[in-house]
Amino acid sequence: DTAVSQTPKYLVTQMGNDKSIKCEQNLGHDTMYWYKQDSKKFLKIMFSYNNKELIINETVPNRFSPKSPDKAHLNLHINSLELGDSAVYFCASSLQGLAGDNEQFFGPGTRLTVL
Amino acid sequence: AQSVTQPDIHITVSEGASLELRCNYSYGATPYLFWYVQSPGQGLQLLLKYFSGDTLVQGIKGFEAEFKRSQSSFNLRKPSVHWSDAAEYFCAVSPGGYNKLIFGAGTRLAVHP
Repeated sequence: DTAVSQTPKYLVTQMGNDKSIKCEQNLGHDTMYWYKQDSKKFLKIMFSYNNKELIINETVPNRFSPKSPDKAHLNLHINSLELGDSAVYFCASSLQGLAGDNEQFFGPGTRLTVL
Repeated sequence: AQSVTQPDIHITVSEGASLELRCNYSYGATPYLFWYVQSPGQGLQLLLKYFSGDTLVQGIKGFEAEFKRSQSSFNLRKPSVHWSDAAEYFCAVSPGGYNKLIFGAGTRLAVHP
């Protein structure tokens, strides 16, 4: 199936641990994103990569480090996890994101719970 | 700064009734506007989008939205709601330049049988 996929779907971990979330898209898109959805369902962009280059970094703590090994993958690594990092993280992709007018396709989300 | 306001946190309608979800945006120029739907435990699916041209846009699942520049609004409508429409609805704006989406807080729709 053509889609945006994320692994894992659920992630439960202890405070202070380091964890990664993986995202892959097979839509041939150039731009990928990470969004965070908090417990009140509020969605906020964290990062965006265009052709493996970081183009948006929305004042996210530097404990969060995105990595894009190629334009089909955008992984999110989180160091020293804190309680406030508990959220649902969504990956998305779009064609040539610089114009602002392209639909973003979202993955199913990764629910991160920090204990 | 750009922002999106969805004034209604929670709306309940009866199945078969009409629906209107409100969305107001704050942006200097004409933005790109979107409505997404999120079913429980799922990702987001695009319902419709407005970039330019006809201010009444048609989307999937029988939804439509009207862009009103004078009111800075982009309200979502459906003439007859189905039980399967129960979900969270998000209005979003893309300010252009970089394609980030700025989301409203969402409106949770419940549908009574």
